[in-house]
Formats: sequence, C-alpha cells, structure tokens
Amino acid sequence: IAGITQAPTSQILAAGRRMTLRCTQDMRHNAMYWYRQDLGLGLRLIHYSNTAGTTGKGEVPDGYSVSRANTDDFPLTLASAVPSQTSVYFCASSDSPLGTDTQYFGPGTRLTVL
Amino acid sequence: GENVEQHPSTLSVQEGDSAVIKCTYSDSASNYFPWYKQELGKRPQLIIDIRSNVGEKKDQRIAVTLNKTAKHFSLHITETQPEDSAVYFCAASIRSGGYQKVTFGTGTKLQVIP
Repeated sequence: IAGITQAPTSQILAAGRRMTLRCTQDMRHNAMYWYRQDLGLGLRLIHYSNTAGTTGKGEVPDGYSVSRANTDDFPLTLASAVPSQTSVYFCASSDSPLGTDTQYFGPGTRLTVL
Repeated sequence: GENVEQHPSTLSVQEGDSAVIKCTYSDSASNYFPWYKQELGKRPQLIIDIRSNVGEKKDQRIAVTLNKTAKHFSLHITETQPEDSAVYFCAASIRSGGYQKVTFGTGTKLQVIP
C-alpha cells in the first residue's frame, strides 16, 4: 500500500441497509478525516480523528459513525442508509491536526443509495 | 463558523492565456490556505498552499496570493495548457475545537480551449 486507499470504489445500496466504507493509510499520519462531496457544495467534513482512539464530529455527522482503533484505519459506517447519503466519499489524512498540514485524499468511494 | 466563497464557478480560457480564481474567507483566524485540483473522477490533489505569514508563493506556472487584511486569496495559472482543465478548490484551514477544520470553496471548473 502506498499512501491512502479506500474500498469499495463504488457501491449501490438499498435504503435501510448498513454499509461500512473502508480507509487505510500507510503514511503513519496522526489525523484522518471523512468528507462527502456533492455537486455545487464542495467537500464537507463528516467526522475526523486527531489520533488513534479519538474521534470527533464535523460539519455533517448525522447518520454516520466512525472508529479509530489504530493509526492506519478509519472506517465510516452508515447504520441505515438513506437516499440523501448518495454522494462521493473521500477519506483524507494529515501528519498532525495542528491546522497547517496538508491533507492527502484517498481515491474516493461513489455511493448510491436507492 | 468559517465561510469560503469562490469565484467564478466556471472559467474558460484559450490555451496560453492566464486564469485567475478568487476566494474570500470570513474567519480572520484561518492561517493555512491550500488549493486543490480535481480531475474528473479523481481525488483532490494539492497543487499549492500558502500560510498566513506569507503574501505570495509561486511554483512554476502557478502562484497564489493572500491578502489577510481583505481576507481574500487568489490562484493564478499562467500559460495555461489543456491538461490544466479540471475543477479547482480553494480552502481555508484553522485549528478549531481541537481539530484541523478545513472549509472548502464550492469549486471552479476550468476549461482550457486548445
């Protein structure tokens, strides 16, 4: 693995189903983030984690949960998917959460909820 | 909270001409301003960034300027090439509530006409 990866690449999901989007980085970055990207709205932060064992809510956290059991992995779970969660999801990481570090993005997961 | 406005939403230029994208931000405490380029179906990738103690930064054909007093920053691309065609996002970053809060603009779709 080189950098930051996400899985799956794309997914079509029935409303009400549970879904976990996976994110893994091998850069030993402390901070990780989940964004959703919707046309005309740019990138909006869902949840973040400053370091393993800690998580926090971003701008649009409702309907999503995250965990950070170790440095490398930061999964995003939709407990009961709804059509409004149709979006492209990007995971990102940065070396530190101090506010001036570059965030590096994964390749994204395109999720469609029907 | 922080609000980032980006203009224009679309921009078409002839190959070889310059392109300028402008962003404004609302929180004077923001101290890091990255610019991302996103090609169709790809992840956002950092192309240049500037910190609040710097007024201008250049990297080959790309430059960014920052006016802290007026709270605006701009991306300048000179001698544009077809491969510059993409969506460009500005962002303003601040350490807020214990995490790196990055607020993105809504994007500018740049088309370089050969």
